[in-house]
Amino acid sequence: AQSVTQLDSHVSVSEGTPVLLRCNYSSSYSPSLFWYVQHPNKGLQLLLKYTSAATLVKGINGFEAEFKKSETSFHLTKPSAHMSDAAEYFCVGYRGGATNKLIFGTGTLLAVQP
Amino acid sequence: DSGVTQTPKHLITATGQRVTLRCSPRSGDLSVYWYQQSLDQGLQFLIQYYNGEERAKGNILERFSAQQFPDLHSELNLSSLELGDSALYFCASSPRGRTSGGTYNEQFFGPGTRLTVL
Repeated sequence: AQSVTQLDSHVSVSEGTPVLLRCNYSSSYSPSLFWYVQHPNKGLQLLLKYTSAATLVKGINGFEAEFKKSETSFHLTKPSAHMSDAAEYFCVGYRGGATNKLIFGTGTLLAVQP
Repeated sequence: DSGVTQTPKHLITATGQRVTLRCSPRSGDLSVYWYQQSLDQGLQFLIQYYNGEERAKGNILERFSAQQFPDLHSELNLSSLELGDSALYFCASSPRGRTSGGTYNEQFFGPGTRLTVL
């Protein structure tokens, strides 16, 4: 079975500085991994997904994530934070098996200070 | 806009009542999933339907049930409501399970229905 762990529940950055949101996964096989973002009172929006085609995955709004098998990590980064990036971010994997059961990390709340 | 629609956006009801939440998946998606998001439990998978049939069950209470209709829309029925059922309920949809490369397809989420039980 696969699991994902988000290492920080809250991250605060200043506008214009880099963003790093950390996620580790555990899987006995090549995982399917995703990052979703949820703005206040909104649904979840897919930022990017790892499909095993490339270890560096580019997503929307300038975000990217790097799949590192040796470190079992899939950290989300952005070179320069914008105020509109303030939201909750979820690292997501699949449980595996016959069903498409998403396994959500506990979420990281990103605050962006002016 | 994910292409997944949910109605209603907000629902306020009393304990003991029954409500129905509706979801229309993206065009062409055969799978529909229901999730509950609350402050204390986070995001919890409830149930999945694929092309009209139940495919997987998560942390769904016996008071809750769902179905997927021939036109692929889905309804989540919540009965004998309790205060603790107050939450955001999300529906998501995806195409057939795996891609041709063997990885899982992403799920596309609707805007959610906020249920308040008073």
